[in-house]
Amino acid sequence: DTGVSQDPRHKITKRGQNVTFRCDPISEHNRLYWYRQTLGQGPEFLTYFQNEAQLEKSRLLSNRFSAERPKGSFSTLEIQRTEQGDSAMYLCASSSTKQLAKNIQYFGAGTRLSVL
Amino acid sequence: RKEVEQDPGPFNVPEGATVAFNCTYSNSASQSFFWYRQDCRKEPKLLMSVYSSGNEDGRFTAQLNRASQYISLLIRDSKLSDSATYLCVVNANNQGGKLIFGQGTELSVKP
Repeated sequence: DTGVSQDPRHKITKRGQNVTFRCDPISEHNRLYWYRQTLGQGPEFLTYFQNEAQLEKSRLLSNRFSAERPKGSFSTLEIQRTEQGDSAMYLCASSSTKQLAKNIQYFGAGTRLSVL
Repeated sequence: RKEVEQDPGPFNVPEGATVAFNCTYSNSASQSFFWYRQDCRKEPKLLMSVYSSGNEDGRFTAQLNRASQYISLLIRDSKLSDSATYLCVVNANNQGGKLIFGQGTELSVKP
């Protein structure tokens, strides 16, 4: 499979626990994005990387959230001290700057987080 | 006011119908525009980019009016398989970066 891969697909956790999600982008894509989607809403931007550099973070990304892309390939999104309001689908997307003008982002299947 | 606003759904139409979705965006500096399709509990997938001159892809036609900050999607001869949520998406510039999504409009095509 050469698409965007996310792991795990589902995560159930108790409030207060830490969780970490992983995203593997399309191999030749240098940009990687994280979005969050709740029921009945469109995805909301969280942060994005170009190679290993984190270029933008949303105000939605509280200090409990941290994202990394240490080698410019896969990325991790960690949520510390989870709250029930963190329950959502976390989507990862990637794109290539060779397609700059089009900015076509390709999405992974997402990680569905449920905080009990 | 949301940055990207779409018609509230759901739209329930019979097979073969023509259906139109509308979308407005608030940032006049927006440069790139897209329609994504999202099936239930699946990831969004690009349906088509939207160009200033308007563009067509088979049964789908997208239009952009920059002066009115308005985007539309027309689906002709609806198929059962068109049932999905359609997301209007805007990017602030052509340099890449975040996409701003509307809340989506749900379409249900009935036999």
